[in-house]
Amino acid sequence: ETGVTQTPRHLVMGMTNKKSLKCEQHLGHNAMYWYKQSAKKPLELMFVYSLEERVENNSVPSRFSPECPNSSHLFLHLHTLQPEDSALYLCASSQDPDSYEQYFGPGTRLTVT
Amino acid sequence: KQEVTQIPAALSVPEGENLVLNCSFTDSAIYNLQWFRQDPGKGLTSLLLIQSSQREQTSGRLNASLDKSSGRSTLYIAASQPGDSATYLCAVTYNFNKFYFGSGTKLNVKP
Repeated sequence: ETGVTQTPRHLVMGMTNKKSLKCEQHLGHNAMYWYKQSAKKPLELMFVYSLEERVENNSVPSRFSPECPNSSHLFLHLHTLQPEDSALYLCASSQDPDSYEQYFGPGTRLTVT
Repeated sequence: KQEVTQIPAALSVPEGENLVLNCSFTDSAIYNLQWFRQDPGKGLTSLLLIQSSQREQTSGRLNASLDKSSGRSTLYIAASQPGDSATYLCAVTYNFNKFYFGSGTKLNVKP
Protein backbone atom coordinates (compact mmCIF):
# COMPACT_ATOMS: atom_id res chain seq x y z
CA GLU A 1 0.00 0.00 0.00
CA THR A 2 1.69 3.16 -1.18
CA GLY A 3 -0.75 5.58 0.38
CA VAL A 4 -1.74 6.87 -3.06
CA THR A 5 -4.70 5.20 -4.74
CA GLN A 6 -6.03 5.67 -8.25
CA THR A 7 -9.34 4.68 -9.83
CA PRO A 8 -10.18 3.21 -12.18
CA ARG A 9 -7.15 1.04 -12.80
CA HIS A 10 -8.15 0.41 -16.40
CA LEU A 11 -10.31 2.54 -18.70
CA VAL A 12 -11.33 2.15 -22.31
CA MET A 13 -13.09 5.10 -23.87
CA GLY A 14 -14.12 6.34 -27.26
CA MET A 15 -12.95 9.63 -28.68
CA THR A 16 -16.30 11.31 -28.02
CA ASN A 17 -16.64 10.13 -24.42
CA LYS A 18 -16.09 12.12 -21.24
CA LYS A 19 -14.51 10.36 -18.30
CA SER A 20 -12.56 11.23 -15.17
CA LEU A 21 -9.57 9.73 -13.43
CA LYS A 22 -9.40 9.95 -9.65
CA CYS A 23 -6.43 10.03 -7.32
CA GLU A 24 -6.51 10.04 -3.53
CA GLN A 25 -3.59 10.31 -1.14
CA HIS A 26 -3.74 9.27 2.50
CA LEU A 27 -0.36 10.71 3.48
CA GLY A 28 -1.29 14.23 4.54
CA HIS A 29 0.71 15.70 1.70
CA ASN A 30 0.18 19.18 0.27
CA ALA A 31 1.29 18.67 -3.34
CA MET A 32 -0.11 16.35 -6.01
CA TYR A 33 0.97 15.57 -9.56
CA TRP A 34 -0.29 14.01 -12.77
CA TYR A 35 2.18 12.20 -15.05
CA LYS A 36 1.70 10.53 -18.41
CA GLN A 37 3.68 7.42 -19.36
CA SER A 38 3.36 6.44 -23.02
CA ALA A 39 4.77 3.21 -24.39
CA LYS A 40 8.56 3.36 -24.63
CA LYS A 41 8.63 7.05 -23.70
CA PRO A 42 9.76 8.72 -20.50
CA LEU A 43 7.27 9.81 -17.89
CA GLU A 44 6.07 13.32 -18.62
CA LEU A 45 4.90 15.69 -15.92
CA MET A 46 1.48 17.10 -16.80
CA PHE A 47 0.25 19.12 -13.83
CA VAL A 48 1.37 20.11 -10.34
CA TYR A 49 -0.99 21.21 -7.58
CA SER A 50 0.06 22.75 -4.30
CA LEU A 51 -2.60 23.26 -1.62
CA GLU A 52 -5.30 22.84 -4.24
CA GLU A 53 -3.80 25.48 -6.48
CA ARG A 54 -2.34 24.62 -9.86
CA VAL A 55 1.30 25.68 -9.89
CA GLU A 56 2.42 24.07 -13.11
CA ASN A 57 0.88 23.11 -16.41
CA ASN A 58 3.34 21.60 -18.85
CA SER A 59 1.70 22.62 -22.15
CA VAL A 60 -0.94 19.95 -21.83
CA PRO A 61 -3.82 20.04 -24.39
CA SER A 62 -7.08 21.42 -23.08
CA ARG A 63 -8.82 18.07 -23.58
CA PHE A 64 -7.15 17.19 -20.25
CA SER A 65 -8.65 19.19 -17.40
CA PRO A 66 -7.33 18.73 -13.85
CA GLU A 67 -9.26 19.47 -10.69
CA CYS A 68 -8.05 19.50 -7.10
CA PRO A 69 -11.00 20.04 -4.73
CA ASN A 70 -8.89 19.48 -1.59
CA SER A 71 -5.36 18.46 -0.72
CA SER A 72 -6.25 14.75 -0.65
CA HIS A 73 -8.00 14.42 -3.99
CA LEU A 74 -6.97 15.05 -7.56
CA PHE A 75 -8.99 14.44 -10.69
CA LEU A 76 -8.15 14.42 -14.37
CA HIS A 77 -11.19 15.08 -16.53
CA LEU A 78 -10.94 13.73 -20.06
CA HIS A 79 -12.96 14.72 -23.13
CA THR A 80 -12.60 14.25 -26.89
CA LEU A 81 -9.34 12.38 -26.51
CA GLN A 82 -7.23 11.04 -29.35
CA PRO A 83 -5.82 7.51 -29.76
CA GLU A 84 -2.33 8.88 -29.05
CA ASP A 85 -3.54 9.82 -25.57
CA SER A 86 -3.59 6.12 -24.70
CA ALA A 87 -1.07 5.73 -21.90
CA LEU A 88 -0.56 4.98 -18.24
CA TYR A 89 -1.54 7.99 -16.15
CA LEU A 90 0.24 8.17 -12.83
CA CYS A 91 -0.63 10.30 -9.85
CA ALA A 92 1.93 11.23 -7.21
CA SER A 93 2.03 13.27 -4.03
CA SER A 94 4.70 14.91 -1.91
CA GLN A 95 4.83 16.77 1.36
CA ASP A 96 5.17 20.05 -0.49
CA PRO A 97 5.96 21.11 -4.07
CA ASP A 98 9.61 21.66 -3.20
CA SER A 99 10.10 18.08 -2.08
CA TYR A 100 11.95 15.61 -4.30
CA GLU A 101 10.37 12.71 -2.42
CA GLN A 102 7.27 11.79 -4.37
CA TYR A 103 4.99 8.84 -3.70
CA PHE A 104 3.34 7.33 -6.73
CA GLY A 105 0.01 5.61 -7.21
CA PRO A 106 -0.38 2.44 -9.32
CA GLY A 107 -1.69 4.33 -12.33
CA THR A 108 -4.70 4.17 -14.62
CA ARG A 109 -4.17 2.35 -17.93
CA LEU A 110 -6.17 4.38 -20.47
CA THR A 111 -7.01 3.14 -23.94
CA VAL A 112 -8.70 5.51 -26.39
CA THR A 113 -10.45 3.76 -29.27
CA LYS B 1 15.95 20.54 -23.39
CA GLN B 2 17.11 18.14 -20.73
CA GLU B 3 17.22 14.54 -21.88
CA VAL B 4 17.78 11.37 -19.91
CA THR B 5 18.82 8.21 -21.70
CA GLN B 6 18.87 4.71 -20.31
CA ILE B 7 20.78 1.83 -21.82
CA PRO B 8 19.96 -0.97 -22.37
CA ALA B 9 16.21 -0.74 -22.94
CA ALA B 10 15.83 -4.36 -21.91
CA LEU B 11 18.07 -6.89 -20.20
CA SER B 12 17.65 -10.59 -19.47
CA VAL B 13 20.09 -12.33 -17.16
CA PRO B 14 20.25 -15.63 -15.23
CA GLU B 15 19.75 -15.53 -11.51
CA GLY B 16 22.86 -14.76 -9.49
CA GLU B 17 24.53 -12.47 -12.02
CA ASN B 18 25.80 -9.03 -11.12
CA LEU B 19 24.55 -6.38 -13.52
CA VAL B 20 24.84 -2.71 -14.35
CA LEU B 21 22.18 -0.36 -15.64
CA ASN B 22 23.22 2.91 -17.23
CA CYS B 23 21.73 6.38 -17.21
CA SER B 24 23.05 9.49 -18.95
CA PHE B 25 21.79 13.06 -18.89
CA THR B 26 22.56 15.98 -21.16
CA ASP B 27 22.70 18.84 -18.65
CA SER B 28 25.10 18.12 -15.80
CA ALA B 29 23.76 20.89 -13.55
CA ILE B 30 21.47 18.50 -11.72
CA TYR B 31 20.12 18.95 -8.22
CA ASN B 32 19.87 15.21 -7.59
CA LEU B 33 19.34 11.86 -9.32
CA GLN B 34 17.01 9.04 -8.31
CA TRP B 35 16.63 5.46 -9.35
CA PHE B 36 13.10 4.08 -9.27
CA ARG B 37 11.64 0.64 -9.69
CA GLN B 38 8.33 0.15 -11.52
CA ASP B 39 6.40 -3.11 -11.29
CA PRO B 40 3.45 -3.89 -13.60
CA GLY B 41 0.22 -2.63 -12.08
CA LYS B 42 2.06 -0.76 -9.35
CA GLY B 43 3.45 2.70 -8.99
CA LEU B 44 7.05 3.80 -8.87
CA THR B 45 9.13 3.05 -5.82
CA SER B 46 12.21 5.12 -5.09
CA LEU B 47 15.29 2.93 -4.62
CA LEU B 48 18.18 5.33 -4.21
CA LEU B 49 18.61 9.09 -4.19
CA ILE B 50 21.99 10.69 -4.89
CA GLN B 51 22.47 14.36 -4.18
CA SER B 52 24.58 16.31 -6.67
CA SER B 53 27.40 16.55 -4.12
CA GLN B 54 27.54 12.78 -3.60
CA ARG B 55 29.33 10.11 -5.62
CA GLU B 56 27.33 7.04 -4.66
CA GLN B 57 24.61 5.56 -2.50
CA THR B 58 24.11 1.98 -1.37
CA SER B 59 21.09 0.05 -0.19
CA GLY B 60 21.44 -3.68 0.31
CA ARG B 61 22.42 -5.27 -3.00
CA LEU B 62 21.99 -2.00 -4.86
CA ASN B 63 24.69 0.59 -5.46
CA ALA B 64 24.19 3.75 -7.48
CA SER B 65 27.03 5.96 -8.61
CA LEU B 66 26.99 9.47 -9.99
CA ASP B 67 29.53 11.22 -12.21
CA LYS B 68 28.09 14.67 -12.71
CA SER B 69 30.86 15.97 -14.91
CA SER B 70 30.32 13.26 -17.50
CA GLY B 71 26.54 13.20 -17.06
CA ARG B 72 26.33 9.55 -16.08
CA SER B 73 24.95 7.32 -13.38
CA THR B 74 25.01 3.57 -12.98
CA LEU B 75 22.88 1.24 -10.90
CA TYR B 76 24.73 -1.89 -9.87
CA ILE B 77 22.67 -4.88 -8.74
CA ALA B 78 24.62 -7.65 -7.04
CA ALA B 79 23.59 -11.30 -7.05
CA SER B 80 20.39 -10.69 -9.01
CA GLN B 81 17.20 -12.53 -8.05
CA PRO B 82 13.95 -13.21 -9.95
CA GLY B 83 12.25 -10.74 -7.61
CA ASP B 84 14.44 -8.02 -9.08
CA SER B 85 12.56 -8.32 -12.38
CA ALA B 86 10.97 -4.94 -13.04
CA THR B 87 11.51 -1.75 -15.01
CA TYR B 88 14.17 0.54 -13.56
CA LEU B 89 13.81 4.26 -14.16
CA CYS B 90 16.38 6.97 -13.72
CA ALA B 91 15.23 10.53 -13.01
CA VAL B 92 17.12 13.77 -12.55
CA THR B 93 15.92 17.02 -11.06
CA TYR B 94 17.12 20.52 -11.82
CA ASN B 95 14.40 22.24 -9.82
CA PHE B 96 12.86 20.77 -6.71
CA ASN B 97 9.73 19.28 -8.13
CA LYS B 98 10.61 18.81 -11.79
CA PHE B 99 11.70 15.26 -12.58
CA TYR B 100 13.13 14.32 -15.96
CA PHE B 101 12.77 10.59 -16.45
CA GLY B 102 14.53 8.15 -18.73
CA SER B 103 12.53 5.58 -20.68
CA GLY B 104 13.67 2.83 -18.37
CA THR B 105 15.45 -0.51 -18.52
CA LYS B 106 13.22 -3.57 -18.37
CA LEU B 107 15.04 -6.25 -16.39
CA ASN B 108 14.17 -9.94 -16.44
CA VAL B 109 16.05 -12.22 -14.06
CA LYS B 110 15.55 -15.85 -15.01
CA PRO B 111 15.44 -18.53 -12.30
